[in-house]
Amino acid sequence: DTGVSQNPRHKITKRGQNVTFRCDPISEHNRLYWYRQTLGQGPEFLTYFQNEAQLEKSRLLSDRFSAERPKGSFSTLEIQRTEQGDSAMYLCASSSGLGKLFFGSGTQLSVL
Amino acid sequence: AQTVTQSQPEMSVQEAETVTLSCTYDTSESDYYLFWYKQPPSRQMILVIRQEAYKQQNATENRFSVNFQKAAKSFSLKISDSQLGDAAMYFCAYRSAVDSSYKLIFGSGTRLLVRP
Repeated sequence: DTGVSQNPRHKITKRGQNVTFRCDPISEHNRLYWYRQTLGQGPEFLTYFQNEAQLEKSRLLSDRFSAERPKGSFSTLEIQRTEQGDSAMYLCASSSGLGKLFFGSGTQLSVL
Repeated sequence: AQTVTQSQPEMSVQEAETVTLSCTYDTSESDYYLFWYKQPPSRQMILVIRQEAYKQQNATENRFSVNFQKAAKSFSLKISDSQLGDAAMYFCAYRSAVDSSYKLIFGSGTRLLVRP
């Protein structure tokens, strides 16, 4: 059990650029979650996958955001045409379905 | 929709003393789960303790215990014998027992400072 891995740890980009983050869940975990955490706030749910199927998306996930989980393994979260308001930490978590979530250390995005 | 409120942005405790972090929540559901998570500077959220709403007995995990008041929709965390390593952000979280997504709804957090 190597834990949930997220890359990159930090990302600095200019407004209008596209960015992609990667999450590698704990192997054999069929559920994967993306959360966004802004400064001074708790994590907010964005979306979740069960295997390769994206089963729920928050209204926070605008059209500029897209997430995939090909083959039910790792997941990517892409933000197109980034805006300053997208600056946040993006957390990934995985679960075996028994309810306990295991979190990664997040990707800190700064949009200049 | 369910909400979680943590009204203490920051708390301070002397090492070896006891501190209580507050959390209230709002839900119309009768069955749910409540959690306390710790987020140290490493940023990784770590589960501290979990409480099932159908259980009247308060959960305990070593130095961590909760005071779960279902009628009042209150879920406080007590940390006994505080240690320097307890310094972190603490988040209270709610999970519906009906929603099959198992997604968590978090409060805004309480920063715990531990004075040596």
